[in-house]
Amino acid sequence: DGGITQSPKYLFRKEGQNVTLSCEQNLNHDAMYWYRQDPGQGLRLIYYSQIVNDFQKGDIAEGYSVSREKKESFPLTVTSAQKNPTAFYLCASSIAAGNTIYFGEGSWLTVV
Amino acid sequence: AQKVTQAQTEISVVEKEDVTLDCVYETRDTTYYLFWYKQPPSGELVFLIRRNSFDEQNEISGRYSWNFQKSTSSFNFTITASQVVDSAVYFCALSVAGGTSYGKLTFGQGTILTVHP
Repeated sequence: DGGITQSPKYLFRKEGQNVTLSCEQNLNHDAMYWYRQDPGQGLRLIYYSQIVNDFQKGDIAEGYSVSREKKESFPLTVTSAQKNPTAFYLCASSIAAGNTIYFGEGSWLTVV
Repeated sequence: AQKVTQAQTEISVVEKEDVTLDCVYETRDTTYYLFWYKQPPSGELVFLIRRNSFDEQNEISGRYSWNFQKSTSSFNFTITASQVVDSAVYFCALSVAGGTSYGKLTFGQGTILTVHP
């Protein structure tokens, strides 16, 4: 089935540790995105990538890093510099920038 | 900068009632796109509709309908004869075509809809 796969669904991290969230899509989409959702709030853009080997910071990029070495993959690393990382993280993709954005099922990250 | 406002934080209705979710947006761009997404308890955002700024025709899809009015910068969503399965958080979102914000979605805060049997 075509779609966007995020893993893991649930992740617990100790303070001071880096953690990487995986996002894979088999839709042949050029653009990929990472959004963060906090309880009772809308989504905020962390990073986005319009093509392979290129990505830009979104509205809340501090404490996060990404890579886009392959078209189908856009992993997000939550570093220890992120002060409040506990949140729901959603990966998304679109055929190209400006087209409809489709979302994965999300990953819950909890810092313990 | 773009902004989307969903003034209704929570709405509670009884099954079979009609319900309208409000969305007001702000942008200086003349070409933009408006979206509605549904987020059920599982967490995934489900795409419902995309409209471009040049198309003000209202749209109906089954029990769902959308009213786009540029004059009031609104893109409201109506569910007719609501069902329990409609219970979810609904997000309105905006993206612009061009500039540094090209293709990125700006979301409203979301409206929690609860449909009681």
